[in-house]
Amino acid sequence: GAGVSQSPRYKVAKRGQDVALRCDPISGHVSLFWYQQALGQGPEFLTYFQNEAQLDKSGLPSDRFFAERPEGSVSTLKIQRTQQEDSAVYLCASSSSPSSGANVLTFGAGSRLTVL
Amino acid sequence: GENVEQHPSTLSVQEGDSAVIKCTYSDSASNYFPWYKQELGKRPQLIIDIRSNVGEKKDQRIAVTLNKTAKHFSLHITETQPEDSAVYFCAASQENRDDKIIFGKGTRLHILP
Repeated sequence: GAGVSQSPRYKVAKRGQDVALRCDPISGHVSLFWYQQALGQGPEFLTYFQNEAQLDKSGLPSDRFFAERPEGSVSTLKIQRTQQEDSAVYLCASSSSPSSGANVLTFGAGSRLTVL
Repeated sequence: GENVEQHPSTLSVQEGDSAVIKCTYSDSASNYFPWYKQELGKRPQLIIDIRSNVGEKKDQRIAVTLNKTAKHFSLHITETQPEDSAVYFCAASQENRDDKIIFGKGTRLHILP
């Protein structure tokens, strides 16, 4: 597609519910990143894929967070048993192959998660 | 791992004046330093970037400088305009090494009429 698409744009969950956030990157982009952005803060790295391989998941805050990209295109970030501190905007970004020396991120509009 | 510090957190300048935002990074192996602009309720968008093989880069009213020895880099906006009001994020990464991009906490820039 023309840009990075994320859905849903807004999600309200009750504490303890599971949520799934979807990211559809730019067609042909090899690298896909998930970031968490709390109100008034910078994007915090969560995890990174190159094609279907999850190369770095060091930023996932707990084992309640899980991400996948099974076919190297669409990615899903799943949060189990949501807590209030999970409330944030979850940003997905993609970039062209790092081997081309172009580590430029294109961000999606984000999914705003509010946990009540 | 890499740590990026950014200051000030808030900056107000008179329209037409210049604005400077400064960042430091911790990992001497970092070699790619982008700047993103995020308007209220919108996604971050790349406005300029610099690689470690140059010390300065300019694009119209925006310039970025890099001091590798001191591990700091700065964004300069000249002749500021109302549309420059936004949050600006600096970031650092090791390009060509499949490395994540680490962001600073952001600077909220207000352009005063």
